[in-house]
Amino acid sequence: DAGVIQSPRHEVTEMGQEVTLRCKPISGHNSLFWYRQTMMRGLELLIYFNNNVPIDDSGMPEDRFSAKMPNASFSTLKIQPSEPRDSAVYFCASSLKVYYGYTFGSGTRLTVV
Amino acid sequence: GDSVTQMEGPVTLSEEAFLTINCTYTATGYPSLFWYVQYPGEGLQLLLKATKADDKGSNKGFEATYRKETTSFHLEKGSVQVSDSAVYFCALTADSGNTPLVFGKGTRLSVIA
Repeated sequence: DAGVIQSPRHEVTEMGQEVTLRCKPISGHNSLFWYRQTMMRGLELLIYFNNNVPIDDSGMPEDRFSAKMPNASFSTLKIQPSEPRDSAVYFCASSLKVYYGYTFGSGTRLTVV
Repeated sequence: GDSVTQMEGPVTLSEEAFLTINCTYTATGYPSLFWYVQYPGEGLQLLLKATKADDKGSNKGFEATYRKETTSFHLEKGSVQVSDSAVYFCALTADSGNTPLVFGKGTRLSVIA
């Protein structure tokens, strides 16, 4: 099993540009979670999906952020337009049942200049 | 609501010292409890878990016992190594479904040779 795969690993973009982060969950996992991690705010849940359906997006900081899960094997997190304060590490995680635990991806380090 | 409180870090220890990282929780029902570890530049990895009172989770020399009477799940290791330097997160889920894990703020451990 390749685990949760995120791409790209690193992204540097200019303020105002659109950024798309990608995630491939573990096959068979039916829940997917997007997190953001910064030194100041720690680990923040942005949005999660069950069976490809968004359940709670209350953690999405602004309308500039959107997430989709068009099928069980792919999800995207998009920021448009990006701002320097969006610089962070973004993690995707998936699970079969949360009480089994999550598997996290390696993250995407986003830098907006 | 459900919450997890971890001891403030950073924790600095000499190699072969004994480690305890405190974690207490507030939750309805009977939560499952987890410790995750994040090595520098990586995503979070499940270290160990316990699903009911008095269960002991263990992995890689780390242990934690689910204490319902004190609502605690303290992480311990008898002899730390430099390679254990990481951030450790305590987490819980009080739900048998797929609501997200509730994470503590993390405790940074530095082990010096």
